[in-house]
Amino acid sequence: GAVVSQHPSWVICKSGTSVKIECRSLDFQATTMFWYRQFPKQSLMLMATSNEGSKATYEQGVEKDKFLINHASLTLSTLTVTSAHPEDSSFYICSAREGRRNTEAFFGQGTRLTVV
Amino acid sequence: GDSVTQMEGPVTLSEEAFLTINCTYTATGYPSLFWYVQYPGEGLQLLLKATKADDKGSNKGFEATYRKETTSFHLEKGSVQVSDSAVYFCALSDNQAGTALIFGKGTTLSVSS
Repeated sequence: GAVVSQHPSWVICKSGTSVKIECRSLDFQATTMFWYRQFPKQSLMLMATSNEGSKATYEQGVEKDKFLINHASLTLSTLTVTSAHPEDSSFYICSAREGRRNTEAFFGQGTRLTVV
Repeated sequence: GDSVTQMEGPVTLSEEAFLTINCTYTATGYPSLFWYVQYPGEGLQLLLKATKADDKGSNKGFEATYRKETTSFHLEKGSVQVSDSAVYFCALSDNQAGTALIFGKGTTLSVSS
């Protein structure tokens, strides 16, 4: 299957700092990328959908000014957690789909963010 | 809206036991259906998929059949291994370009030797 690379796989940062997470599709063009957040022993919560070259669409309750998403090219999307706080600590996962319908989504390895 | 319901876990089995994880869905159109697996500390990996009614997806001994009449996509494996211990997610796609998959809550499987 197609490969989605997410970096870093884990990061520890201090409260008040910003953290950037990258998501790259390595062997296909991802017209749409998705960012999820996963709490321990829970399902994935969709945070936002980003299409290349346009603004991301955020799910209800997700602060767009805190979770900045940029989808600058067909192979790269970034999530920046701004002014991070301990409650932002979580497992963040990106996903990408090609433009065609009926295709599965491919997932990155996830990023474990710990804010201290 | 569309939704996915899967059985609550955890499911605890002995090695070589038969596995069934139930999944049912609600959708207005004709979705594609997926099972994903997540190992500890990792992202999700596609396990199998089915894109139309009566399709059977299979991979690594796992299989699931798309049943439109019962709106189900149950995951089965005849003989589980310790290495199958993971969280399994059922998901659907409404097949509209650019939309996210809709996931069930996940079922934790623990297999002991």
